[in-house]
This record gives sequence, structure tokens and C-alpha cells, in this order.
Amino acid sequence: DSGVTQTPKHLITATGQRVTLRCSPRSGDLSVYWYQQSLDQGLQFLIQYYNGEERAKGNILERFSAQQFPDLHSELNLSSLELGDSALYFCASSVDSDSNQPQHFGDGTRLSIL
Amino acid sequence: GESVGLHLPTLSVQEGDNSIINCAYSNSASDYFIWYKQESGKGPQFIIDIRSNMDKRQGQRVTVLLNKTVKHLSLQIAATQPGDSAVYFCAEEKDTGNQFYFGTGTSLTVIP
Repeated sequence: DSGVTQTPKHLITATGQRVTLRCSPRSGDLSVYWYQQSLDQGLQFLIQYYNGEERAKGNILERFSAQQFPDLHSELNLSSLELGDSALYFCASSVDSDSNQPQHFGDGTRLSIL
Repeated sequence: GESVGLHLPTLSVQEGDNSIINCAYSNSASDYFIWYKQESGKGPQFIIDIRSNMDKRQGQRVTVLLNKTVKHLSLQIAATQPGDSAVYFCAEEKDTGNQFYFGTGTSLTVIP
């Protein structure tokens, strides 16, 4: 158990809808990262938050947004969903945003768009 | 784009044999690397890491080797067990601090 909790585990919705994915980092970790993993693809970095503030952006679509709350949990909002958004979405956390430290991953949310 | 790649997408080994999973990277400035294991239905699990000031690091039944000359990383698993069956990813830290490129993964199957 990594200590990173993601909910829900599965989400099924339709095109055009909006969903919110939730992540609680490991106790003591200040930095949260969101990743997308599509079928047969590696992990694609979406966005990073550190202590409530956005720290870095990766390949995140404009339809997607995230935030980190004062209690350090984070939410990833996906809107105007398209079939291609079907994927696993992972959250990871690390102690801070410094280099040379591992990220610990949750078990992901599987999003299926019908 | 991502600079991390894997030589083989699949690997099958007999139980008890040693496994070697390879990874190439292209950014010679990268100084931190991680191997992750991902089992079906689970998130990537940290296995072992290595910094560029080392060329070898050992854990429990695992060894990571780093060859900076040819920008190559490998994960060796000793006495492979059925529970080692999973997808293994290497991750290379970008030069912007605690962001990683991930390879597409190698699927390891252990044959009993």
C-alpha cells in the first residue's frame, strides 16, 4: 500500500459530461502529480501541485483542470469528455518538489467514456 | 517528447531464473532514475532508484545498473517468482526537478 488514495476506482460516463477525480496523498507529502495512462501507453504527466499551488504542467488539455486544497488532497476535473479521454488516471505524491525523490502512486481511477 | 524507451515490450522467463529488463534514455543530463512495477489493476509501485553518481544499486532481489556512457539502465531480478509478473517501467527525471519521463513498459511473464 503506497498510502496514496484515489476515488472512485471506476467511473463510467458519457461524452460531453464532466467528472471529478479525487486524490489523497501520503501523509506528510506536499506535492501531488496527476498522470494519464491510455491503453498500451506509458504514463503521461498532466500537472503537478505543491502545497496548494500549481508547480508544473505537462500534456494537460484545456478541458482538464486540477487543484490542491489546504488539506493537501487534490482533484482533477475533466470536462466536455470525449471518447479518447477513456484511460487510467493516476495520482502520485512526493514529500516536496525537490529533485531526486520518488513519487508514490495510487491505484488509479479507470475512466470509461461511452 | 519523452526520451525514455524500452528495448523489449515483453519478456518471458522461467521461475527461478534471473530477469533483465532494459531501458534507454537520451538526456545525458538526467541524474535520477526509478524503476516501477505495475501489476494489473494497480498503480505503479516503486522498486528501486539510482542517482547518476552511482553505477549500481542493490535492493532485495533487485539490482539496477546505470551506464551513463551509453545512456542505458537495466533492472535485474534474481530468482524470478510468479509474483514478479507485471509491467516494469523505467522513469527518468527531467532536468526541471521531480518530473519524470516514463517508458512504455516491459511486460514480464514468469513461467512456473
